[in-house]
This record gives sequence, C-alpha cells and structure tokens, in this order.
Amino acid sequence: SQKIEQNSEALNIQEGKTATLTCNYTNYSPAYLQWYRQDPGRGPVFLLLIRENEKEKRKERLKVTFDTTLKQSLFHITASQPADSATYLCALEEHGGSQGNLIFGKGTKLSVKP
Amino acid sequence: NAGVTQTPKFRVLKTGQSMTLLCAQDMNHEYMYWYRQDPGMGLRLIHYSVGEGTTAKGEVPDGYNVSRLKKQNFLLGLESAAPSQTSVYFCASSYSIGGNSNQPQHFGDGTRLSIL
Repeated sequence: SQKIEQNSEALNIQEGKTATLTCNYTNYSPAYLQWYRQDPGRGPVFLLLIRENEKEKRKERLKVTFDTTLKQSLFHITASQPADSATYLCALEEHGGSQGNLIFGKGTKLSVKP
Repeated sequence: NAGVTQTPKFRVLKTGQSMTLLCAQDMNHEYMYWYRQDPGMGLRLIHYSVGEGTTAKGEVPDGYNVSRLKKQNFLLGLESAAPSQTSVYFCASSYSIGGNSNQPQHFGDGTRLSIL
C-alpha cells in the first residue's frame, strides 16, 4: 500500500539545537516534495520545495534533503527558537499524478523549549 | 492582498442540513483545492479544480459537491450533512505555469464545521 509517514508525532528540543524531522514514503514515485508549517488554528504555510533531482535545498535556517534511494526527506531547522514551535507537514506529488495534487503526511509537532 | 479567504470560519449544523463553504483567492491562481483535516488523518483532498468551469474528485469526494463558476471562487457544498463530515476544511490555490505543477499551495485559515 502507499504511505507517507512522518516518523515522529511530536519532537521536543532545546532552544539553539538543530531540529531534524523525517518524512518517509512507500510505493510512491515523487516528482518533488514540499514542506509546510502549520500553527494552531491556521492553515499550512509553504516553506520549501525540493525536486527529485535535487539533493538539498536551503532557506535561511532551514534545510531540506531528498534521498530517492532511501525514499526519505529530512527537514532541518538550525539554531532553533521557541518561535519555530509548530506542526510541520511534508507533502509529495507523484510523477503522472493529477495536476498539483499533493499527498500530505500527518505532521510532526515540534516544541522548542527556552 | 488577502490571499485565500474562507467563509464562514465556524459553523454548527444539524444532521441532514445543507450548506456551502466559500473560498476566494485574489492571486489569479488557476488551481484550487478543498481539503479536510481530521485528528490523526492529516490533510485529505476532497475535490480540486484546474481552471474556471472544471472540477475533479480527490481522495475523499463522497458527500460533497463543488463548483468553480469564477476563477477566483471555489465553492464546497454539503447537500445532506452527516456527523462524519465534522472536520476542519481548508481551501488552497496554486499557480499553473504552462500547465505544470511544482508550485506551492497557498492555504486559507480553514472552516471549522461541526455536524450534530
């Protein structure tokens, strides 16, 4: 069966440390992966997109990697801050999938403690 | 520039009642989507539209209908609400560049719907 799994429902880290969130997929052939941030009571907000032929993408303190052999994407937040506390969602679009349709993971809730 | 606006923000319905959720975007996006988000289930696609006058089914379309009469608006209808449709509903939109996807989706802040 097809699955997209974010391995941790919740992740607690100390301020200043690097947070690493994992997204694994099974029986999908993603053309690309996207990562979103969702705050309580709000809609998801786009953070980063990485294509299948890209190994790594960076944006300020954020870094995403994509390993099609391991069928995994890692999302890193360096020098984490309490303001980074939120739920982070990964999403993929398959080759040959319907235009723009994303398949979302269930999310990882990140808590950064001062 | 409001982005994606959803109305209403909250609604309580009785079983069997009907209602329409409205999504409006001011970014001239071609693609629009309706999702539902339930605890432990993540975001699931209900219906989507790749342009004015066109709609298609997503992963969980049963019990819902949609219309895209204007490019900027995407309506989600519940003809006969059921308790299983209690959820948070999100609308999203995205660009189409030459018919390709690979574009971020812009979400509204959701409609919280309870069916009693």
